[in-house]
Amino acid sequence: DVKVTQSSRYLVKRTGEKVFLECVQDMDHENMFWYRQDPGLGLRLIYFSYDVKMKEKGDIPEGYSVSREKKERFSLILESASTNQTSMYLCASSPPEGLQETQYFGPGTRLLVL
Amino acid sequence: KQEVTQIPAALSVPEGENLVLNCSFTDSAIYNLQWFRQDPGKGLTSLLLIQSSQREQTSGRLNASLDKSSGRSTLYIAASQPGDSATYLCALPNDYKLSFGAGTTVTVRA
Repeated sequence: DVKVTQSSRYLVKRTGEKVFLECVQDMDHENMFWYRQDPGLGLRLIYFSYDVKMKEKGDIPEGYSVSREKKERFSLILESASTNQTSMYLCASSPPEGLQETQYFGPGTRLLVL
Repeated sequence: KQEVTQIPAALSVPEGENLVLNCSFTDSAIYNLQWFRQDPGKGLTSLLLIQSSQREQTSGRLNASLDKSSGRSTLYIAASQPGDSATYLCALPNDYKLSFGAGTTVTVRA
């Protein structure tokens, strides 16, 4: 069974902290994605990666960076957390056929920045 | 740029009634269209994926239709149950990513 896991379901951080969100998939997928989901704005793509050490900016990359050192793991980094980064963060993966196939989503991490 | 709209934003029906959820999109040159379900505070689960060459796709009580020429897809859920209460999102490929609608939140009353 397909599995995408995220390191935390809930996180509370303070403004200015460095925050790491981890995502792991066990399907040997090449493509991995980070989205944020906000009421009224829907899901927006932050970054995606199509291979180890490769990354591409999505629609809203400002204030975020990513790391993909291993195929199964894709990390989202908030270098200096701000209150406007309070959101639900969703990780997803898909096989190399990309958008011909569905994306598989993790359970999400709800981040609160105080 | 692909714009995806879902109307209504929320829907409440009594148990047993059939559900009809709408998704419209602006660019008809699509590769496929997907419907996802999201339970409160959870991630997304793929329900159906319709390829551009298909007109509909069925899975159990769910049926999704696709009309590219009019830029519309409809998700039908037959004989709704309280367990169908969730937010339903449609999504389409847009360049290298998926573009999502804002979703329709469904409540099925027992």
